[in-house]
Amino acid sequence: EDQVTQSPEALRLQEGESSSLNCSYTVSGLRGLFWYRQDPGKGPEFLFTLYSAGEEKEKERLKATLTKKESFLHITAPKPEDSATYLCAVLDTGRRALTFGSGTRLQVQP
Amino acid sequence: GAGVSQSPRYKVAKRGQDVALRCDPISGHVSLFWYQQALGQGPEFLTYFQNEAQLDKSGLPSDRFFAERPEGSVSTLKIQRTQQEDSAVYLCASSSDWTYEQYFGPGTRLTVT
Repeated sequence: EDQVTQSPEALRLQEGESSSLNCSYTVSGLRGLFWYRQDPGKGPEFLFTLYSAGEEKEKERLKATLTKKESFLHITAPKPEDSATYLCAVLDTGRRALTFGSGTRLQVQP
Repeated sequence: GAGVSQSPRYKVAKRGQDVALRCDPISGHVSLFWYQQALGQGPEFLTYFQNEAQLDKSGLPSDRFFAERPEGSVSTLKIQRTQQEDSAVYLCASSSDWTYEQYFGPGTRLTVT
């Protein structure tokens, strides 16, 4: 059974204080690992897809990396508008449905 | 272009009532997914359609849950005889046939009283 564990559950940063969110996963075969951002009262917003170990993707202050067992979402010099819940999900080679973790709630204080 | 839309955005039902939730996917997207999200948790898969065919319904929690997509575009998730444990946000997502990324709608928050 596919499993996704995200840590920490919650993270509070000062504006400009860089940090990383962790996503550990177990799948029989990885078709892709996805990062989403979710604001309160809204649906998840797609950020990145990573397909193989060693791959990296960047978007503004966010950088996602992938190993064979985990993924990291690095946030460089965050701003208050980066405050949201960040969700990690995996897609198993045998399925089309995503398996999500519980998310990391990020709060960036000015 | 327009994203995934869902209606209603909020629904309050008395226990035992039937509800119908609608999803309008991104135009041209052949794959459509329904997820259930409890407060403070990640979305959990309910069911998946490719065009009008329901290819995976393994996540539907009981036979009170039923989904359809008769013409391969708009989909409806129906919950019969609602129970308090059905209270959650119901998310719809769609995907094209050349990518695995799923794009989500804003969700319908269902509260069963």
